Amino acid sequence: QVHLMESGGGVVQPGRSLRLSCAASGFTFSHYDMHWVRQAPGKGLEWVAYISHGESNNYYADSVKGRFTISRDDSKTTLYLQMSSLRADDTALYFCARGFAPNYFDSWGQGTLVTVSS
Amino acid sequence: EIVLTQSPATLSLSPGERATLSCRASHSLSTYLAWYQQKPGQAPRLLIYDASNRATGIPARFSGGGSGTDFTLTISSLEPEDFAVYYCQQRSGWPPGWSFGQGTKVEIK
Repeated sequence: QVHLMESGGGVVQPGRSLRLSCAASGFTFSHYDMHWVRQAPGKGLEWVAYISHGESNNYYADSVKGRFTISRDDSKTTLYLQMSSLRADDTALYFCARGFAPNYFDSWGQGTLVTVSS
Repeated sequence: EIVLTQSPATLSLSPGERATLSCRASHSLSTYLAWYQQKPGQAPRLLIYDASNRATGIPARFSGGGSGTDFTLTISSLEPEDFAVYYCQQRSGWPPGWSFGQGTKVEIK
């Protein structure tokens, strides 16, 4: 079955960088668009970034544009999120999610927590 | 930017009762809307897509309806495991972006 496992979260100081990974299994990773979605503590869901299969298109939420970069390595079936110039309001649980239909998200990982604090 | 507004914020019901959740969009979505369920400490789960299609493995007590700007998620008879937070979600055409409503919490009365 589809399995997505995020890693790389932790506590980081404001202004620093962090790279998240999402290891995928149980499906043909290279055929699917992928996303990052985050959830601040006690808050709702916020879409962060998108990458198409074939890596031809990337899109970002305005809140992270210019600071975050989404990428993928189909040979390793892994999705990445490079985060730089981190701010306190980037503190959240970061989920990777598989694109579906193509407007939706049909499978999610359990998330990795990023805390930005001095 | 399309804004999704969910109501009510909290719905207090008893098991066996019917739940009706609302999602209103600031611009027409046709039928391109999804619903997700999230339980504490868990990832969201896709319930409904394209406004009325149940995702794989979703019980028939969950149904979605609506088009344009007004959408509903109905749970015909609440089971104990249905008490959770529900989000609606859409994708904007251009520039592409995805957004969620603020959520409706269905709690045990």
